[in-house]
Amino acid sequence: EAGVTQFPSHSVIEKGQTVTLRCDPISGHDNLYWYRRVMGKEIKFLLHFVKESKQDESGMPNNRFLAERTGGTYSTLKVQPAELEDSGVYFCASSPDRNYGYTFGSGTRLTVV
Amino acid sequence: GEDVEQSLFLSVREGDSSVINCTYTDSSSTYLYWYKQEPGAGLQLLTYIFSNMDMKQDQRLTVLLNKKDKHLSLRIADTQTGDSAIYFCAGGGDDKIIFGKGTRLHILP
Repeated sequence: EAGVTQFPSHSVIEKGQTVTLRCDPISGHDNLYWYRRVMGKEIKFLLHFVKESKQDESGMPNNRFLAERTGGTYSTLKVQPAELEDSGVYFCASSPDRNYGYTFGSGTRLTVV
Repeated sequence: GEDVEQSLFLSVREGDSSVINCTYTDSSSTYLYWYKQEPGAGLQLLTYIFSNMDMKQDQRLTVLLNKKDKHLSLRIADTQTGDSAIYFCAGGGDDKIIFGKGTRLHILP
């Protein structure tokens, strides 16, 4: 089966600009997660979708981050306006249900300059 | 808060066994995972163990869980150059997963 796909793989933007990250989960996986790894630190949880609904968004750092999951398929994570501390690798993962492990995408490396 | 800790580096000679250790604080974790990350790749799920188990073996991989000490280990037998990667320990329950920082496994010739 195709894995979790994330676009773009790399993005370099200037502080104050807007960036939108996309995640395509494995087909049929209702659960979709966003994580972020800041250099040298743990991969932190951001939020969790079940189909198109936000199940848990307690990890979203602030209101500059907006996640959507149109029709319960792919998801986007928009950062507006971007700040320097937003730099890091954003991982997406999906799973069919809570009793199964997560499949992660390769991540989007975001650099805010 | 919830925390998962593991050493950052491990060097092992090719053919020897590698043992990567991890400690966690959240006793409510239902599952404990080991992920492998190779350069340029995502986090690949290697294996996982239910919190009510104390051992799981899968080919060259052996996972040991000490619930009392909240200690998890991953043993890789006959370590190969292809095992060179970062290994993440993680604990999960409900809908969250907490990762450690990752242990970089370096294979010596």
